[in-house]
Amino acid sequence: DAGVIQSPRHEVTEMGQEVTLRCKPISGHNSLFWYRQTMMRGLELLIYFNNNVPIDDSGMPEDRFSAKMPNASFSTLKIQPSEPRDSAVYFCASRLQGSNQPQHFGDGTRLSIL
Amino acid sequence: GENVEQHPSTLSVQEGDSAVIKCTYSDSASNYFPWYKQELGKRPQLIIDIRSNVGEKKDQRIAVTLNKTAKHFSLHITETQPEDSAVYFCAASMEDTGFQKLVFGTGTRLLVSP
Repeated sequence: DAGVIQSPRHEVTEMGQEVTLRCKPISGHNSLFWYRQTMMRGLELLIYFNNNVPIDDSGMPEDRFSAKMPNASFSTLKIQPSEPRDSAVYFCASRLQGSNQPQHFGDGTRLSIL
Repeated sequence: GENVEQHPSTLSVQEGDSAVIKCTYSDSASNYFPWYKQELGKRPQLIIDIRSNVGEKKDQRIAVTLNKTAKHFSLHITETQPEDSAVYFCAASMEDTGFQKLVFGTGTRLLVSP
């Protein structure tokens, strides 16, 4: 099992640019979660999907953030336009909803907005 | 919504000592409590979890206890080893129809000195 795969691992870009983070969940998992981790705010849930449908996006900080899950094996988190305060590590996680399985995290994307 | 508090923020112990990390939660409907370990620059990884139908769960040197009445749960690590050094996060969730929305504590940095 390859686990949750995120890309890129690192992203450095200038403020105002569009940033797209990508996630491939574990095969067979039907729930997908996007988290943001910062020193100040810890690990925060941004949005989660079930069967490719967004269930709860109450953690998305602003309209600059958007997430999609066009199919069961791919999701994107987009920030447009990016700002320095968006700098953080973004994690994607997946699990099989309806089971006792936990959430499995990807290796994260370390995002730096200059 | 759910709020999870975690203490202490840092914990230093000698190798072989025990370590205890405590969390409290606010929503009495929460019924799932996982603990994640995060090494520097790595992904959070589940080490143990407990559901509200049990009061204690053990896995080798790790145990978790849950007090539903007081709304707190604790992680116990016995015979600590240097490789236990990491940041530990507790979380709480109400699993409704299998949906799992984790709210994380702020983390405890555990340092085990040889």
